[in-house]
Order: sequence, then C-alpha cells, then structure tokens
Amino acid sequence: DAGVTQSPTHLIKTRGQQVTLRCSPKSGHDTVSWYQQALGQGPQFIFQYYEEEERQRGNFPDRFSGHQFPNYSSELNVNALLLGDSALYLCASSLERQGRFSYEQYFGPGTRLTVT
Amino acid sequence: AQSVTQLGSHVSVSEGALVLLRCNYSSSVPPYLFWYVQYPNQGLQLLLKYTSAATLVKGINGFEAEFKKSETSFHLTKPSAHMSDAAEYFCAVYNQAGTALIFGKGTTLSVSS
Repeated sequence: DAGVTQSPTHLIKTRGQQVTLRCSPKSGHDTVSWYQQALGQGPQFIFQYYEEEERQRGNFPDRFSGHQFPNYSSELNVNALLLGDSALYLCASSLERQGRFSYEQYFGPGTRLTVT
Repeated sequence: AQSVTQLGSHVSVSEGALVLLRCNYSSSVPPYLFWYVQYPNQGLQLLLKYTSAATLVKGINGFEAEFKKSETSFHLTKPSAHMSDAAEYFCAVYNQAGTALIFGKGTTLSVSS
C-alpha cells in the first residue's frame, strides 16, 4: 500500500523565484492538505483540496496557490519567494468520499525548501 | 477557536523510565485530538487519535493517551522509554470545520542510556 509521496526531497531557490512542489496521496485517498513547517515549529495549515477545488485556506498570502488533479495528486506553487518561505512543506492525505470520512491525515516525508 | 498547548519544549528521560508529554486543548466543540511523532528529516507519523469514543486511547509503539474533559488535557504516556523513542512529538486538534489540523509547537523527547 503506497503511502503519501512528495517530490522533490530538497530544493534550493533564490528570492523572487517560483517553485512547484508535488504530492501523491495515499492509495484510496481523495483529499490533500498542505502544511508549512518552519524550523523548530509545528506545521501550519496552508490549504486543503477536495474534488479538485480549494476547500479551505489557512493564513497564507495569495503567493501560495495549489491544484488538485483528477487522480487526486496535488501541486503547491509559491511565487515571488521570500527568505521566510524556507521550511519543510508537508503534504497530507485523507479520505472523504462516499461517506467513508476518515479523521486520520497521513503525512508524506516533506520537501525541504531553502530560499537564498 | 481550537488550539493546543504543549507544556515543555524538551523532555529528557532515562531508558526504561516513564514518558509523559503534556498537551492541553481549547475547543468550542467536542474535539478530535491527535498525537504525531516526527523523526529527524522525516514527515509526521500518527501515534494515536481521540474521536469521542473511549477516553483512554492506545496507539502504536506502546504509547497511550487519556482524554480528560474536566482538565482539557490529552497527555501522552509510555510506561518504559526506549532509545528509539527519541523524536519530536506534536499534539494536534482539528479546526471547527474538521478540515485542518492545528498543531502545538512540539516537544522534543530525549532518551539517555
């Protein structure tokens, strides 16, 4: 049973650049959430995608955007990178469809983004 | 609004000793509470969850947690620490919409031999 996978593992970008991170949910899951974890902090919710639409958004600027594809995989895009965007970006998947709501969110290994 | 507070950013125990990691929550609705563990350079692994069933919840790797509504607490315990338990532990609660997890700042557990 494949778990949540994310790519790339590490990424180094320069201020002002744009970045795209990718996530494949756990097999059978249909909902994807993205979190940002700064060094020494707990993860912070960025947004959640369900049925290819952004369902809820945390306190992040519009520079952060996303997409969910028909196969439930997802992308996180960050434009105009700032030094403060350096963090571990975590993707989590869960299941909601057909009344089979599961409270568990399963996390991927994350993408470590460094902005210089 | 929902929130969690983890008391103690760093806990040190000896191998074989009791592990107690503290978490208090604030919630305007019956909470769904979770404990996750994060090993260095890895993602989060679910240890256990409370979803309004039994108040004593057993998880993986010998961990358990007790939901105490009167104390608004959900502390994580393990009777006997192993070296392999050394990691970062996060308590989390669902937001009111039931979509986003709200995490505490984490507690680093160190285990010495």
